[in-house]
Amino acid sequence: QQQVKQSPQSLIVQKGGISIINCAYENTAFDYFPWYQQFPGKGPALLIAIRPDVSEKKEGRFTISFNKSAKQFSLHIMDSQPGDSATYFCAAHSSYKLIFGSGTRLLVRP
Amino acid sequence: GAGVSQSPRYKVAKRGQDVALRCDPISGHVSLFWYQQALGQGPEFLTYFQNEAQLDKSGLPSDRFFAERPEGSVSTLKIQRTQQEDSAVYLCASSQARSNQPQHFGDGTRLSIL
Repeated sequence: QQQVKQSPQSLIVQKGGISIINCAYENTAFDYFPWYQQFPGKGPALLIAIRPDVSEKKEGRFTISFNKSAKQFSLHIMDSQPGDSATYFCAAHSSYKLIFGSGTRLLVRP
Repeated sequence: GAGVSQSPRYKVAKRGQDVALRCDPISGHVSLFWYQQALGQGPEFLTYFQNEAQLDKSGLPSDRFFAERPEGSVSTLKIQRTQQEDSAVYLCASSQARSNQPQHFGDGTRLSIL
């Protein structure tokens, strides 16, 4: 019940395309859903986050779509750039703890 | 400093040795977290401090793992009698006092046990 399932495991997108990463959860006690971006040798960096009372949040090229009834949320990266190539983690927050998905390795080809 | 600072960045130890990993959180951040990240996986929660109080240590894999934050600022994660399965990246994160505040991560310590 504490799991967060993330897909796909890896993703290749052409420059300018849309990258879409999906996550699903079971625990309805989760109250905050952040996305983190991680480059090799670096720690996860907060990208964007959403609360369950909001269905969509957009910050620049990054959008989170949230479906509370389906217990699913997704990250959309518009106009993907080679510099976006990294590993992306969804997470779910309960009380103080973050539960992370298994990650998606994104490669954006020039 | 501006961000969470962890040291050392890399640590190589022989099986059976004790190691200590340090975390300097963002100034003023009350909450501090330790996570373990295995290769190719997402971070997994180890333990949580609010000021100097360790409120949750349910994620620590065994009694060989010990964390402390004696003055409510710097924290140390200690692993005694290291085993090969302890090899991972150990991440520290901090956040402001209120719940639902973003957790900001350091770059981690990569621990390799030979």
